[in-house]
Amino acid sequence: EVQLVESGGGLVQPGGSLRLSCAASGFTLSSYWMSWVRQAPGKGLERVATIKEDGSEKYYVDSVKGRSTISRDNAKNSLFLQMDSLRAEDTALYYCARVRLWSVAGILDLWGQGTLVTVSS
Amino acid sequence: AIQLTQSPSSLSTSVGDRVTITCRASQGISSDLAWYQHKPGKAPKLLIYDASSLEGGVPSRFSGSGSGTDFTLTISSLQPEDFATYYCHQRGTFGQGTRLEIK
Repeated sequence: EVQLVESGGGLVQPGGSLRLSCAASGFTLSSYWMSWVRQAPGKGLERVATIKEDGSEKYYVDSVKGRSTISRDNAKNSLFLQMDSLRAEDTALYYCARVRLWSVAGILDLWGQGTLVTVSS
Repeated sequence: AIQLTQSPSSLSTSVGDRVTITCRASQGISSDLAWYQHKPGKAPKLLIYDASSLEGGVPSRFSGSGSGTDFTLTISSLQPEDFATYYCHQRGTFGQGTRLEIK
């Protein structure tokens, strides 16, 4: 089955760190750009970070630059998001999403169910 | 960076209604626009890509149109399972969403 499964979310204190993981199955991860997208409570969708197939290019939303790192291990069919210096405003449901092949517009054609990150003391 | 502005932000509708949601881009983006449906606690679902192409498995009551800066998502006859929030998207930028509510 073609799917993405996120894990690693939880409750963390402000200033703390979390590492989110996304396990891909049913397709060849190394062929695709991948993204992390989040939804804060009561808010809309926001793209957090995107990584090229081979990890050579990475893009971040301004609000997480310098605090988060997207990475991947294609051999293990896994995508990661290391989040440091977490703030209350990082509280959100984090989704892993696949970028459609050859998509100039960055179409996200496969999504996971999400993992919840709560930043609170 | 391109901004996407959706309207309306919410809409009270009834089963069977025809619904149109608009998305305006801050600059021309050709036909590089997608629409997603999102229900609480669920993964967002791709409905339309390249402004007007229907994703496989998506009911034909959904359609998209537009190019350049102005785009629309139309649901021809709203079904109970269509009550959700809808987002337009282009290259990592999302519109703010349009929530369809039961009247």
